[in-house]
Amino acid sequence: GAGVSQTPSNKVTEKGKYVELRCDPISGHTALYWYRQSLGQGPEFLIYFQGTGAADDSGLPNDRFFAVRPEGSVSTLKIQRTERGDSAVYLCASSQVAGGNNEQFFGPGTRLTVL
Amino acid sequence: KQEVTQIPAALSVPEGENLVLNCSFTDSAIYNLQWFRQDPGKGLTSLLLIQSSQREQTSGRLNASLDKSSGRSTLYIAASQPGDSATYLCAADQGGSEKLVFGKGTKLTVNP
Repeated sequence: GAGVSQTPSNKVTEKGKYVELRCDPISGHTALYWYRQSLGQGPEFLIYFQGTGAADDSGLPNDRFFAVRPEGSVSTLKIQRTERGDSAVYLCASSQVAGGNNEQFFGPGTRLTVL
Repeated sequence: KQEVTQIPAALSVPEGENLVLNCSFTDSAIYNLQWFRQDPGKGLTSLLLIQSSQREQTSGRLNASLDKSSGRSTLYIAASQPGDSATYLCAADQGGSEKLVFGKGTKLTVNP
């Protein structure tokens, strides 16, 4: 596609529920990243995929968070037993080449609100 | 651990003024430094990428410089316009890692 797309744009859920956030990267980009942005802060890294595998998941806050990219394209970020502190904008980015000099392109984000 | 700081947190200028946004980072072993623009409620738009071997990059009225040894980057905006109003974010990778570490941003307002 022309850019990184994310669905849904907004998600409101209740505490304790399970949510899935989807990211569709730029066609041909092998690297995919998830970040989380709280109000007034810069984005914080969650996880990075090179192809189908998670190359770096050091930013995932706890085991309630999990992400997959089964075919090396679309990725899903999954959050179990959501908590109010999970409320944030979840941003996805992709890049053409991982390692060395690669420019990351971001999607519009999914705003998650946990009531 | 990479830490990125942006100064000032907010800046308000009259239209037409030239301005400089500052970014500093603690780990100089970076591959890339990237500047982004973020409009309210929107995602990030990449403005400029400076590779570690480069000193500066230019795009239109924007010029970004990189001084790895001092851990600093600046974004220069010439002849500012009201449409430039947005939050500008600086991000540096952590040497050997693909993840970007972001500053908190500078909120720029250009007044007509």
